[in-house]
Amino acid sequence: QVQLVESGGGLVKPGGSLRVSCAASGFNFADYQMSWIRQAPGKGLEWVSKIDSTGSIIFQADSVKGRFSISRDNAKKSLHLQMSNLRVDDTAVYYCARDGSYNLWDLSDYWGQGTLVTVSS
Amino acid sequence: QSVLTQPLSASGTPGQRVTISCSGSTSNVGSNYVYWYQQFPGMAPKLLIYKNNQWPSGVPGRFSGSKSGTSASLAISGLRSEDEADYYCAAWDDNLQGPVFGGGTRLSVL
Repeated sequence: QVQLVESGGGLVKPGGSLRVSCAASGFNFADYQMSWIRQAPGKGLEWVSKIDSTGSIIFQADSVKGRFSISRDNAKKSLHLQMSNLRVDDTAVYYCARDGSYNLWDLSDYWGQGTLVTVSS
Repeated sequence: QSVLTQPLSASGTPGQRVTISCSGSTSNVGSNYVYWYQQFPGMAPKLLIYKNNQWPSGVPGRFSGSKSGTSASLAISGLRSEDEADYYCAAWDDNLQGPVFGGGTRLSVL
């Protein structure tokens, strides 16, 4: 079965950096686009970034452009989100999600359990 | 402020039929598929409906989706207490070049 397991969350000071990762199993990771989606405490869902199956096409939300970077390692079946210059309003649970395998506009079908990133002094 | 508009809350009694609306624009709902997610407190979202009206395996037929123009709806028939959750709609946005979500609707089963 499809499994997505996030790791790397924690407490970081404003202006700091953090890298969160997602280990995938149960499907052919190299065939699928992947996304990071976040949810601030008590708030709704906000898409962060998306990467195509080869890592050559990347989309990012305006709120994280220039600060966050998505990447993937198909050999290791892993997805990463490098976050820098973190702000208090980046505090959220970060979910790794599997998108479609054909069209870039296909949205997520499986989600991990999330990892909490807290930005606070 | 979410790009897609959903009611903050909805409610119904067991056995009733409830609908949740999702309003967007020509760049998202009007030109791309709509997805619906169900989320219980403290849990990850789960796909409920994809491509407007398709069921992933394991999702009961009591849940159904529809779309007309720039609006979409999720209908839940035969409401059960275990349907109490938050429901989100989402669609790709051609202008923003990424998915956009509704603000979520909290469903209460009275």
